[in-house]
Amino acid sequence: EAGVVQSPRYKIIEKKQPVAFWCNPISGHNTLYWYLQNLGQGPELLIRYENEEAVDDSQLPKDRFSAERLKGVDSTLKIQPAELGDSAVYLCASSLGQGGPNNEQFFGPGTRLTVL
Amino acid sequence: QKEVEQNSGPLSVPEGAIASLNCTYSDRVSQSFFWYRQYSGKSPELIMSIYSNGDKEDGRFTAQLNKASQYVSLLIRDSQPSDSATYLCAVNPGRKYGNKLVFGAGTILRVKS
Repeated sequence: EAGVVQSPRYKIIEKKQPVAFWCNPISGHNTLYWYLQNLGQGPELLIRYENEEAVDDSQLPKDRFSAERLKGVDSTLKIQPAELGDSAVYLCASSLGQGGPNNEQFFGPGTRLTVL
Repeated sequence: QKEVEQNSGPLSVPEGAIASLNCTYSDRVSQSFFWYRQYSGKSPELIMSIYSNGDKEDGRFTAQLNKASQYVSLLIRDSQPSDSATYLCAVNPGRKYGNKLVFGAGTILRVKS
């Protein structure tokens, strides 16, 4: 079974430029998560989707970040414009659903973003 | 107060020894608990999940949960150099918080051959 797929793996941009990350979850996983991980820290949730619906985006900086999961499968996270402080690893994860064993989340390889 | 706390380490153990990793959490109604292993430059990999008080064993790994003490631990028996990584504890605080996972900052484990 294929795992969570993310692209690109690495991205270097200059500040104020836009950037987009793509994620394809494990087949059959209805719940998709975008996390941000800074060096030496655990992942922090940015947004969670149940199928097409964003059910938790309270930690997403909506002035510059946006996300979509139009058909309830793959998802795109965008930053526009990027700032120096956005340099981090952006992780996508998926799970079957909510609660108990269904909440076991599996991570993709991540996208390492460097903003110059 | 951080919601999930871990000792940052590094925890150094000799090859073949038992490594003991600990995690405390602040929300008493937390429902489920997970241990992830993260190698340098890689993404977190799920290695154990536990939902009930007591021990859960999987190969060389044992997860221990004590909800009364709000404490979860991971034991790694017969530690190998390949176990050297950062171990992340994650807690699902329950429906009130949308069943999201809250991660600790991780404990660095070094197994010396």
